[in-house]
Amino acid sequence: NAGVTQTPKFQVLKTGQSMTLQCAQDMNHEYMSWYRQDPGMGLRLIHYSVGAGITDQGEVPNGYNVSRSTTEDFPLRLLSAAPSQTSVYFCASSSFRGAAGYTFGSGTRLTVV
Amino acid sequence: GQQVMQIPQYQHVQEGEDFTTYCNSSTTLSNIQWYKQRPGGHPVFLIQLVKSGEVKKQKRLTFQFGEAKKNSSLHITATQTTDVGTYFCAGPRKDNNDMRFGAGTRLTVKP
Repeated sequence: NAGVTQTPKFQVLKTGQSMTLQCAQDMNHEYMSWYRQDPGMGLRLIHYSVGAGITDQGEVPNGYNVSRSTTEDFPLRLLSAAPSQTSVYFCASSSFRGAAGYTFGSGTRLTVV
Repeated sequence: GQQVMQIPQYQHVQEGEDFTTYCNSSTTLSNIQWYKQRPGGHPVFLIQLVKSGEVKKQKRLTFQFGEAKKNSSLHITATQTTDVGTYFCAGPRKDNNDMRFGAGTRLTVKP
């Protein structure tokens, strides 16, 4: 089925470890983004990309890196995990004008101990 | 920067009662989007409003965009248990495509 695929669904990391959250979409969407969701704080934008080779920072970029080498893939890298990065992470994509809204992946629940 | 505020944070209703959530922006929005997230799920796009004063309906859901394009509301008539979830509004940053989300309104429905 067409959509946004995120892996893994669950992950436990130790403080200081690094990891990559994968995100892929097959809808040929130009725009992709990463959000984190914490209780009572809604969805906060981490990084986004308006096309292959172009990325930019969102509201809460510190501690995360992204790259966009292809239209389909937009991985999120945690450089040195901290307990404050415990959260649910969502990847989303949309056509550039976004009139059809964002399509979200099913999320990655990350716990940093 | 532009912020999108949503109220109330929580709403508990009896099945059959109506429900409304409100979204307010500190700046004029070019458009506003609404999403629903079921417990344990991911946000799902419901609708986008673009025009000043626009009203759109989806079955029992009514969406409104204010005349000044700074506020919006989602009204559910005669709630059902299937309406349970968190409803988010989102507005674009002024100069690009990325959407800023409100904190959401969590709706619970007692059968």
